[in-house]
Amino acid sequence: QVQLVQSGAEVKKPGASVKVSCKASGYTFTSYYMHWVRQAPGQGLEWMGWINPNSGGTNYAQKFQGRVTMTRDTSISTAYMELNSLRSDDTAVYYCARVSSSGWFSDYWGQGTLVTVSS
Amino acid sequence: QSALTQPASVSGSPGQSITISCTGPSSDVGGYNYVSWYQQHPGKAPKLMIYDVSNRPSGVSNRFSGSKSGNTASLTISGLQAEDEADYYCSSYTSSSTVFGGGTKLTVL
Repeated sequence: QVQLVQSGAEVKKPGASVKVSCKASGYTFTSYYMHWVRQAPGQGLEWMGWINPNSGGTNYAQKFQGRVTMTRDTSISTAYMELNSLRSDDTAVYYCARVSSSGWFSDYWGQGTLVTVSS
Repeated sequence: QSALTQPASVSGSPGQSITISCTGPSSDVGGYNYVSWYQQHPGKAPKLMIYDVSNRPSGVSNRFSGSKSGNTASLTISGLQAEDEADYYCSSYTSSSTVFGGGTKLTVL
């Protein structure tokens, strides 16, 4: 069965960086794009970008360009999202979500990783 | 991109039907049939309920249906049940990226 298992919660200081991992299993990792989506406490979903695990190609939301880097390691079927220059308003749950092969929607989601930015 | 526009909240009694709207510009909702809807219970990851405007993934109740007219997509839930109480988000493809609605809190009275 398809599973996306994310790394554990993180606490970071303002200005630091965080790298969240998303390990995929149950399907061919390189055959499906991966979205990263975040959700601040009590707020809605916010799309951050996607990565093509096959080519490593990426597309980032304008809001995060210059601050986010999405990578992957195909040898261990894992996608990564690194966010730099963290601010308090980056405190959120970060999700990875697989993009279906038959359309532009996410059919499987990771469990979420809480990143807390606090001095 | 700006978020798609959804009502902040809707409510209904068990057994009733409700509809949640999702409005965006012609560059996303109006321009593509790539609207999806997600259900999210507190503390849980979102769950896909509708894709490509009106398709239901296997395992999703046929009480959930989707449609689109012009720049507005809609999610209808018929025969409301207590477990339908959750937040609902629409999403659309737009220029190789994705945009979400602000979310709608559904309360089952």
